[in-house]
Amino acid sequence: AQSVTQLDSQVPVFEEAPVELRCNYSSSVSVYLFWYVQYPNQGLQLLLKYLSGSTLVKSINGFEAEFNKSQTSFHLRKPSVHISDTAEYFCAVRDSGYSTLTFGKGTMLLVSP
Amino acid sequence: DAGITQSPRHKVTETGTPVTLRCHQTENHRYMYWYRQDPGHGLRLIHYSYGVKDTDKGEVSDGYSVSRSKTEDFLLTLESATSSQTSVYFCAISEIGVHTEAFFGQGTRLTVV
Repeated sequence: AQSVTQLDSQVPVFEEAPVELRCNYSSSVSVYLFWYVQYPNQGLQLLLKYLSGSTLVKSINGFEAEFNKSQTSFHLRKPSVHISDTAEYFCAVRDSGYSTLTFGKGTMLLVSP
Repeated sequence: DAGITQSPRHKVTETGTPVTLRCHQTENHRYMYWYRQDPGHGLRLIHYSYGVKDTDKGEVSDGYSVSRSKTEDFLLTLESATSSQTSVYFCAISEIGVHTEAFFGQGTRLTVV
């Protein structure tokens, strides 16, 4: 069975500071990994994904995540956050051979001036 | 945005009454999902469908049923609503191929009083 652990429920950070949101997964087979973002009162939007190939994947708005198979992690990073990055971030995993996504409990990123 | 419409967007209902939520897609995607989102729990899968009349249970299926009579529509029914089913419900879709991401609707906020 697949599971996802997001180690921090809330991460407060000042604007222009770097941030890391942590995600660990449990799976016995090959996995596909995703980060979604949810702004207040909205649905989830895909931020980035790892399917295969390069272990470092990037989004168009400056976020990046690195797939680490030995540590079963897929941490999300941004070198300099903006107020507009304030949102909830969800890590998700899909085992190869399964058609469903399993989500972590989410991390609320709070960016203050 | 992916063509996913959830209706209603908000609903207040009384304990013991039946409730049906609708998800309509215009993308012709094979897979459709219903998730619920609760604080501290992230998103949890209720039921999903992998084709017309083909459905399966998710992690938290008790008290819910689904139907898919057409590719574009996926209905979630609470046979007899309870206060524990107060939540935000999200519909998602994905295309054939287990590595692809899911696209989410805007959500339905259901309150059971």
